[in-house]
Amino acid sequence: QVQLQQSGPGLVKPSQTLSLTCAISGDSVSSDSAAWNWIRQSPSRGLEWLGRTYYRSKWHFDYAVSVKSRIIINPDTSKNQLSLHLNSVTPEDTAVYYCARAGCPQGSGCSAFDLWGQGTMVTVSS
Amino acid sequence: QSALTQPASVSGSPGQSINISCTGTSSDVGSYNLVSWYQQNPGKAPKLMIYEGSKRPSGVSNRFSGSKSGNTASLTISGLQAEDEVDYYCCSYASGRTWVFGGGTKLSVL
Repeated sequence: QVQLQQSGPGLVKPSQTLSLTCAISGDSVSSDSAAWNWIRQSPSRGLEWLGRTYYRSKWHFDYAVSVKSRIIINPDTSKNQLSLHLNSVTPEDTAVYYCARAGCPQGSGCSAFDLWGQGTMVTVSS
Repeated sequence: QSALTQPASVSGSPGQSINISCTGTSSDVGSYNLVSWYQQNPGKAPKLMIYEGSKRPSGVSNRFSGSKSGNTASLTISGLQAEDEVDYYCCSYASGRTWVFGGGTKLSVL
């Protein structure tokens, strides 16, 4: 059974870096039929896709325009996990953060987010 | 990238059918057959209900169906049940190798 287990601090100070980890079991971060995403949800912004990474002969990264200058997603093949780093955070970054798998059938693009982590509530406050 | 437009709320009686619309643009819904729908219970992660516009994952009730016309996708729930009374979100792949979500719809079963 595939599972995503998230971890990381629930409180981050303004201007600092938000860092979360998503441990993958039952699948591989290097899978050629999946992409690994970070998505957040807040009352003010709703569900917001932040970015993804996937491996197809080499690592690929795509980021939302809204956070592109502040975000890094790192795959870690030795631990089979991925991490999210969002720097220079403000209270607007307060949200529940999810990691999610997108299924990418062979020969076609990634179609939907079929597996989600449990979510991590992150508050940005001094 | 602007969010997809969904009605804030819809309602129906038990046993009836309802539709939830999801309106995008030619840069997302209109250009790709990659609309998905998610059901979210309070305090839980979203659950995939429909992918690629009209396909159901294994285990999802056939009371849930999806369609698309132009820049608008729709989720239909037939035979409404009390347990369907939660939030629903649409999502589409978009130009620039990104994904965009709808604002969400709260379903009330009266």
